[in-house]
Amino acid sequence: GNSVTQMEGPVTLSEEAFLTINCTYTATGYPSLFWYVQYPGEGLQLLLKATKADDKGSNKGFEATYRKETTSFHLEKGSVQVSDSAVYFCALSPTGGGNKLTFGTGTQLKVEL
Amino acid sequence: SAVISQKPSRDICQRGTSLTIQCQVDSQVTMMFWYRQQPGQSLTLIATANQGSEATYESGFVIDKFPISRPNLTFSTLTVSNMSPEDSSIYLCSVEDITTFFGPGTRLTVL
Repeated sequence: GNSVTQMEGPVTLSEEAFLTINCTYTATGYPSLFWYVQYPGEGLQLLLKATKADDKGSNKGFEATYRKETTSFHLEKGSVQVSDSAVYFCALSPTGGGNKLTFGTGTQLKVEL
Repeated sequence: SAVISQKPSRDICQRGTSLTIQCQVDSQVTMMFWYRQQPGQSLTLIATANQGSEATYESGFVIDKFPISRPNLTFSTLTVSNMSPEDSSIYLCSVEDITTFFGPGTRLTVL
């Protein structure tokens, strides 16, 4: 079956540090890949997505590249801010899967001044 | 983008009782989904609800425990029946509208 593995948190960084949150997946075919973010006290929001190999999703300074050869979709940001503190979820929807999402366990990010 | 609201936002319930969670969308959508997020865990899909048909449940979830209604294209309910402390979770409604949007969730605590 499909699965998503992402690095465990919590991750604590200083403001303006570089962020990488690793995400790898197992799926047949060509799934679509997503990063969702959950800010404290709020609902889950789509951060970025990529629908085919080598696509780069980007939003709010965050980027992730769909790497089929390594089955990865790592999230990066060059300079984090305190306001980026949240839980980040990597997810996939299978090829033609009707958008049923399989999520990773989530990575809590805390950015300090 | 779709705007989704859920009621209640949170509740504390006694073991053995049932709770119905409502999900309202501001536009008509074909597919609605119910997810569960147990404490410290990821989100797990409970079922897919399409208007006019029975909900489709994922492995490990059954209709008797989680009955779902989908009376129209903007509304759905999920009932958590005969609750136990293991049902303490955040329950999220989501819809497919080009991409997938999530409601704010219902935080359920069962004592």
